[in-house]
Amino acid sequence: QSALTQPASVSGSPGQSITISCTGTSSDVGGYNYVSWYQQHPGKAPKLMIYEVSNRPSGVSNRFSGSKSGNTASLTISGLQAEDEADYYCSSYTSSSTHVVFGGGTKLTVL
Amino acid sequence: EVQLVESGGGLVQPGRSLRLSCAASGFTFDDYAMHWVRQAPGKGLEWVSGISWNSGSIGYADSVKGRFTISRDNAKNSLYLQMNSLRAEDTALYYCAKLDGFRDAFDIWGQGTMVTVSS
Repeated sequence: QSALTQPASVSGSPGQSITISCTGTSSDVGGYNYVSWYQQHPGKAPKLMIYEVSNRPSGVSNRFSGSKSGNTASLTISGLQAEDEADYYCSSYTSSSTHVVFGGGTKLTVL
Repeated sequence: EVQLVESGGGLVQPGRSLRLSCAASGFTFDDYAMHWVRQAPGKGLEWVSGISWNSGSIGYADSVKGRFTISRDNAKNSLYLQMNSLRAEDTALYYCAKLDGFRDAFDIWGQGTMVTVSS
């Protein structure tokens, strides 16, 4: 099962907005609305930020939003803050026997 | 407090075995599927294995199939990963994660236990 494709890095200045893409296939991202996004700070465990493409768990800032078009999902962070600097991973349900596939991760740098 | 605590990691020689454990607390363990996700040093997340609430459905990544065995003991609120025939490429931080079945997302993660395979 191939990993979902994410850009290796993105950057933005405080207050700006950035978008991270996550490209899969019709067997995963494009076929199901079970895309989730995780934030991981250095030395910490991943934290769920978005589930089912665009839903935020309780306690997650509304500056984080998700969407999907075809086989590509996206995470948008608006009003960038220094604390948003972290690695971000997408994940999707997949019809393959593994049922779960992650993206390769994107390092967000806040300039 | 909802919590997952992994243990059992360490340094092991190639070809040897290791058993990881994950102790759950703060939620009804036997209501949820549980998974293992690993992260090699400096690398991304990789799904390893998952098990349904009643152990009726189990899955493995191709990279570990035939070598790793996932299991759970609902009476002890514990998840396990038996790792045999370990390879250098299995070196990683192993996370235990709870799957929110309604959201199909990992909503709770442990802090991980490090496995290093080296001679």
